[in-house]
Amino acid sequence: DVKVTQSSRYLVKRTGEKVFLECVQDMDHENMFWYRQDPGLGLRLIYFSYDVKMKEKGDIPEGYSVSREKKERFSLILESASTNQTSMYLCASSEGQLANYGYTFGSGTRLTVV
Amino acid sequence: AQKITQTQPGMFVQEKEAVTLDCTYDTSDPSYGLFWYKQPSSGEMIFLIYQGSYDQQNATEGRYSLNFQKARKSANLVISASQLGDSAMYFCAITDTDKLIFGTGTRLQVFP
Repeated sequence: DVKVTQSSRYLVKRTGEKVFLECVQDMDHENMFWYRQDPGLGLRLIYFSYDVKMKEKGDIPEGYSVSREKKERFSLILESASTNQTSMYLCASSEGQLANYGYTFGSGTRLTVV
Repeated sequence: AQKITQTQPGMFVQEKEAVTLDCTYDTSDPSYGLFWYKQPSSGEMIFLIYQGSYDQQNATEGRYSLNFQKARKSANLVISASQLGDSAMYFCAITDTDKLIFGTGTRLQVFP
């Protein structure tokens, strides 16, 4: 069964910590994405990548960075976590051109920053 | 830029009844795709249905159908014969090159 795996389901971190959220896909997909989901705001795109070592800013990149050293892995980095980054983070992947099914999503990481 | 609007924050429906979840969009691209996803309380995003802008027929997948009105830029999801397991958040999304732009979602609650 094809899969996108996010390393943690729930995470609690302290303000100011550097936080790594990991995402791995086994479908050889070219494109990978990080979204955050907040009530009333839907899913907002943070960063995406169309190839190894390549990254593009989404709509809300401030306070985040990403790394894609291998095709299957896309990491989201919170350089210095803040309480306003408490959210659900969703990773997704897709083929080069969006197929009829769109994305394959991971199960999400619910991050709380205290 | 692409934009998706879901105006219903919450909807209630009785079991076995049909329900329509609204979605309107804005785009200047002649070619685009529209998606609906379901997100149960467990958090995973489940693909439901897809409509291409050039598709002549409205998309259907089992109990899900898409009421696509291109001139009005609307892509409403119709769920027939609602079940308790349909209680979830529902998101509409539109393609923007090779990424998706999502709406704010509608929380559907199905009651017995």
